[in-house]
Formats: sequence, structure tokens, C-alpha cells
Amino acid sequence: DVKVTQSSRYLVKRTGEKVFLECVQDMDHENMFWYRQDPGLGLRLIYFSYDVKMKEKGDIPEGYSVSREKKERFSLILESASTNQTSMYLCASSLRQGAREQYFGPGTRLTVT
Amino acid sequence: AQSVSQHNHHVILSEAASLELGCNYSYGGTVNLFWYVQYPGQHLQLLLKYFSGDPLVKGIKGFEAEFIKSKFSFNLRKPSVQWSDTAEYFCAVNAPYSGGGADGLTFGKGTHLIIQP
Repeated sequence: DVKVTQSSRYLVKRTGEKVFLECVQDMDHENMFWYRQDPGLGLRLIYFSYDVKMKEKGDIPEGYSVSREKKERFSLILESASTNQTSMYLCASSLRQGAREQYFGPGTRLTVT
Repeated sequence: AQSVSQHNHHVILSEAASLELGCNYSYGGTVNLFWYVQYPGQHLQLLLKYFSGDPLVKGIKGFEAEFIKSKFSFNLRKPSVQWSDTAEYFCAVNAPYSGGGADGLTFGKGTHLIIQP
């Protein structure tokens, strides 16, 4: 069964802290994605990766960075957390062929105070 | 860039009512189309997808969707909803210039469906 896991379901951090969100998939997928989900705004793409050590900016990359050192792991980094980064963060993965359907993790609800 | 429109942001229905949620996209060429569902407190999961072939696609839990190329639409339907269908529903498209490049998806803003017992 397809599985995407995220390191935390809930996280509370203070303004200015460096925050790491981890995502692991066990399906040998090439593609991995980070989104944030906010009410009324749907899913907005932050960063994505097609291969190890490769990354591309999505629609809202400001204030974020990513790392992909292994195929199964994709990390999202908030360099200096701010209150406007309080959100639900979703990780997804997909194959580079076929319909490209994405498989999602359970999400991390991050609160920055 | 791609865009996906979901016309209804909030829908409230009674149990046993019929459901149709609208989805329109902007790209005129070959597309792959998806509906995802997010039940309260759960992760996003694939409800159904259109990749090729029969434009009427059947998914899990009695849902279906029809791809109408001439209308750029992929509407989600269910003949009789249940209280357990209460969830957020997202339409998504894979096409050139999707968010995330050729392999990415562009999502609509979602429809919050509430089923009253």
C-alpha cells in the first residue's frame, strides 16, 4: 500500500526559529512536492523535486527552502519562522509516468507564535 | 499558466440528495484529471481520475465524474449522498504548465460539502 509519512502532525514554534518538516515515501516515486493548505486558498505549491539533489520553486517559495538528499526523503525548511507561515503543510509524491496522480501524507499543522 | 475553477465553495445537502460539483480547467490540449477528497481530520486521498479512454469515470464510494472536452469540464457526481460524504473536495489537472512542471498538478480552491442527516 502506498505510504507517505510526515514527521509531525502538530508543531508549535516561535517566531524566528528554524523549522524542519520531514517527508518520507516508500513507493520509489521520483517526484515529491510540498504544499501549504489554507482555508479558501486551496493547495499552493511551495517547492518540488524530480530527483535526488534536484529542486524547483513552486508558486510561493519565499521564506522556505528544501533538501532532497535521498530519493525517499524530502525536507521543507523554514529558515526563520514567521506568524504568516502558520498553516497546514502537505507533502506528496508521484511517478514520472502515467496519470501523475499524487499521493499525500497526513499533513503537519504548524503554528508559529 | 493552468487554472482550475471550482464554482461552489460551500455546498449543503440533505442525505439522499443528488450531488454535482463543478470543475473547469483552462488548458485546451491533453489533460489528466483528478478529484481528491479530504475527510475531516484525514489526509487527501484520490477519489477518481481520468487518464484516457471512457470519459465517464467511476471512483470509490459511488462517485463518478464525466470529462467533457468541449466544455473543459470534469464534474463530480453522486446520485445519493450520505452523511459520511461530508468533506472537502478538490479538483486537479495535470497538463503542460501545471504547478510543478510537466509532472505537477494544478488544484482548484476546493468545495466544502456538508451533508445534513
